[in-house]
Amino acid sequence: GAVVSQHPSWVICKSGTSVKIECRSLDFQATTMFWYRQFPKQSLMLMATSNEGSKATYEQGVEKDKFLINHASLTLSTLTVTSAHPEDSSFYICSARAVTGELFFGEGSRLTVL
Amino acid sequence: SQQGEEDPQALSIQEGENATMNCSYKTSINNLQWYRQNSGRGLVHLILIRSNEREKHSGRLRVTLDTSKKSSSLLITASRAADTASYFCATDAWNYGQNFVFGPGTRLSVLP
Repeated sequence: GAVVSQHPSWVICKSGTSVKIECRSLDFQATTMFWYRQFPKQSLMLMATSNEGSKATYEQGVEKDKFLINHASLTLSTLTVTSAHPEDSSFYICSARAVTGELFFGEGSRLTVL
Repeated sequence: SQQGEEDPQALSIQEGENATMNCSYKTSINNLQWYRQNSGRGLVHLILIRSNEREKHSGRLRVTLDTSKKSSSLLITASRAADTASYFCATDAWNYGQNFVFGPGTRLSVLP
């Protein structure tokens, strides 16, 4: 079946550094990819929607300069957390929508900012 | 705004009992999906039910969908301790201009 791969699955970084998370659709082309954030014991909140070759659409309250999203190809989207701070520590999950309309999720990336 | 809303928010049962979780949503949908998430882990897709379907089964899971009431239920029969996890419903409404939205989840604890 379709697989979405996220990398890295976990990352620890120092405050002030930037971290990039990759989301790849392995055996299908993704017309749209989504990025979610999950705080402990809470649900997943949509951060942004990215379409290949165009700028991402951010949800209200999400800083676009803080969370840079690039969707350079139909199989790859990246989320860069710039100048990360401890409050950015969270679980980030991507999903990819195939042309059939079905949505597939990655395993998630746990970011810890010290 | 949140599309799916699960209830209860937390559920604690004994092993062997059945667990029922409900989900309500607000707009028309293409499909509704249920996911499980163990603490600190990624999402595990459980079942997808399309808007023209009323009931689906998968092993010990039974999902119903009532589009007139905009609600769905997830039944786990003969629960096991390994079923302890958070369960989320999520609605997909791409034909209606809505992105995929998760409910707040139900935290299920199955006691041995």
